[in-house]
Amino acid sequence: EVQLLESGGGLVQPGGSLRLSCAASGFTFSSYPMGWVRQAPGKGLQWVSSISDTGGGTYYADSVKGRFTVSRDNSKNTLYLQMNSLRAEDTAVYYCVKFTNVGGWYEDYWGQGTLVTVSS
Amino acid sequence: EIVLTQSPGTLSLSPGERATLSCRASQSVSNNYLAWYQQNPGQAPRLLIYGASNRATGIPDRFSGSGSGTDFTLTISRLEPEDFTVYYCQQYISSPRTFGQGTKVEIK
Repeated sequence: EVQLLESGGGLVQPGGSLRLSCAASGFTFSSYPMGWVRQAPGKGLQWVSSISDTGGGTYYADSVKGRFTVSRDNSKNTLYLQMNSLRAEDTAVYYCVKFTNVGGWYEDYWGQGTLVTVSS
Repeated sequence: EIVLTQSPGTLSLSPGERATLSCRASQSVSNNYLAWYQQNPGQAPRLLIYGASNRATGIPDRFSGSGSGTDFTLTISRLEPEDFTVYYCQQYISSPRTFGQGTKVEIK
């Protein structure tokens, strides 16, 4: 059974930093791209970042480019999101997602999410 | 960026009725790279449909997807109590991958 368990969320002041982690199990982690999708309170879904299976390719939404860094440790089956220069508009539940490719890469499994609140 | 517009915003129906949810794209979604997700309150989204019309593993056959180009539809043939929740469409043909704003299916 695929499991994605996020951690690291919490309350942080504007301009601060936070690192999210996602521990994966139930599949061959190193074979799949992974990513992060967020959802602001009461709002819709927004793709944040993706990373290739090897970690050699990283991709970001314009709204977080230059502030967030996605990485992975395939030896630990763990995905990370380093978030710097946080803003109030970054407040959201952050979901870890696994991608699959059956004709195009799409998210087939989601973690339960971790809440990030940016407020003074 | 491809903008996805879902309609209606809220759909009020009774259990057993048929639900038809629409997702319109601002540009053609090539290869039908469109997915549908279901999200219950306080839970993560769950993949229902990929490739516009393919049911994901374990999804009941009352859920079906159709469409191509810029117009896509999610149909729930007979609503069960657990189907009254929020649904999102998503395109994954171009970056950034984008989601619609959601359709809420509520009990009439």
